[in-house]
Amino acid sequence: AQKVTQAQTEISVVEKEDVTLDCVYETRDTTYYLFWYKQPPSGELVFLIRRNSFDEQNEISGRYSWNFQKSTSSFNFTITASQVVDSAVYFCALSEANLYVGSQGNLIFGKGTKLSVKP
Amino acid sequence: DAGITQSPRYKITETGRQVTLMCHQTWSHSYMFWYRQDLGHGLRLIYYSAAADITDKGEVPDGYVVSRSKTENFPLTLESATRSQTSVYFCASSAGVEIFYEQYFGPGTRLTVT
Repeated sequence: AQKVTQAQTEISVVEKEDVTLDCVYETRDTTYYLFWYKQPPSGELVFLIRRNSFDEQNEISGRYSWNFQKSTSSFNFTITASQVVDSAVYFCALSEANLYVGSQGNLIFGKGTKLSVKP
Repeated sequence: DAGITQSPRYKITETGRQVTLMCHQTWSHSYMFWYRQDLGHGLRLIYYSAAADITDKGEVPDGYVVSRSKTENFPLTLESATRSQTSVYFCASSAGVEIFYEQYFGPGTRLTVT
């Protein structure tokens, strides 16, 4: 069955520290997609990245980087030189490409990691 | 304004009442979704729709009804609200023709059932 685990419920860092948010997933499919979303204190959900299961290249976008490792079923997210504005709940999510009977057919979210960046 | 909107943003209702949450998107996206967000559960899918007049259940559909007569609208109705349906509800739409494209979320509706 599909499952996304974000073991870190809360993380607190001081500004300018690097921080890594862990995401481990389970899927029976060979084709799937992984996502990260950010939910700032204002409450909206902001899409950050999508990766497919065939592309294991790490991705960097400014201070954000993502490390996808199929061997460990992980899709970790690192913020370099964290800032107060990075304080948010971050969700990792999984979507399989195929719909099975009984499949939820959609994004399966982890329970989120609350990141607090203190000045 | 372009994007995805939800109304109302806040709603308080009584147990047993029917309440409808509205969702409207201006992108002409095919897929639309309803989630609820609760502490300790993250986001859970209630219903989704692949196109007008095509809807399907998600993880937690009981007590909810959806319809999609027009591509841009996807209302969610609680037929007889219960306290357990107190939650934040998010509507989303998907950019791609397949279900696994990234989703863009509305601002959410905070519903309290007393």
